[in-house]
Amino acid sequence: GAVVSQHPSRVICKSGTSVKIECRSLDFQATTMFWYRQFPKQSLMLMATSNEGSKATYEQGVEKDKFLINHASLTLSTLTVTSAHPEDSSFYICSARPPRRGSYNEQFFGPGTRLTVL
Amino acid sequence: RKEVEQDPGPFNVPEGATVAFNCTYSNSASQSFFWYRQDCRKEPKLLMSVYSSGNEDGRFTAQLNRASQYISLLIRDSKLSDSATYLCAVNIGGAPGGGNKLTFGTGTQLKVEL
Repeated sequence: GAVVSQHPSRVICKSGTSVKIECRSLDFQATTMFWYRQFPKQSLMLMATSNEGSKATYEQGVEKDKFLINHASLTLSTLTVTSAHPEDSSFYICSARPPRRGSYNEQFFGPGTRLTVL
Repeated sequence: RKEVEQDPGPFNVPEGATVAFNCTYSNSASQSFFWYRQDCRKEPKLLMSVYSSGNEDGRFTAQLNRASQYISLLIRDSKLSDSATYLCAVNIGGAPGGGNKLTFGTGTQLKVEL
């Protein structure tokens, strides 16, 4: 499968600070990447779709001013959690869809970033 | 009704057993279906895409039932290493609000025991 990396793998920060998470597709170009959040014992919840060269599309209930997404190149998307609070503590995972023929839309995930806000 | 539903389990099975999970989806316009495996505190890893005709990969068999709107995953000869959470994912393709988005179920936890 395709390889997606994510950095950092773990962040512990103080309340009020901003945290930047990077997602890279290593062996393919991704015009679209996805950002998910997963709380303990819950499923992945899509936060936003990151589109190269244009604005991200946010899911209902996700604050675009709090979760800033930048997709500046075909291999890199970043998620910045601004003014983080303890309730933002979660497992943030990105994914990317390599170009494929046909209708299948497999997504490959990065290893995730575990954010803890104190 | 949730878009994608799974029995959370856990399913506790002895090594060597056959176990099956189902996943129901509510949007009849759904076009692509997947099973992912997620280990504790790790990212999901693609296990199988689910094709209309069903598909098999070693001990794993996936099937799609469009009429009843569910997909299934069958694991034969369970191994200890199969213990994980199995997530189904559905894409509704070009339907409104679809695009490339995947909607995930909450996952079914499998524990294979000696």
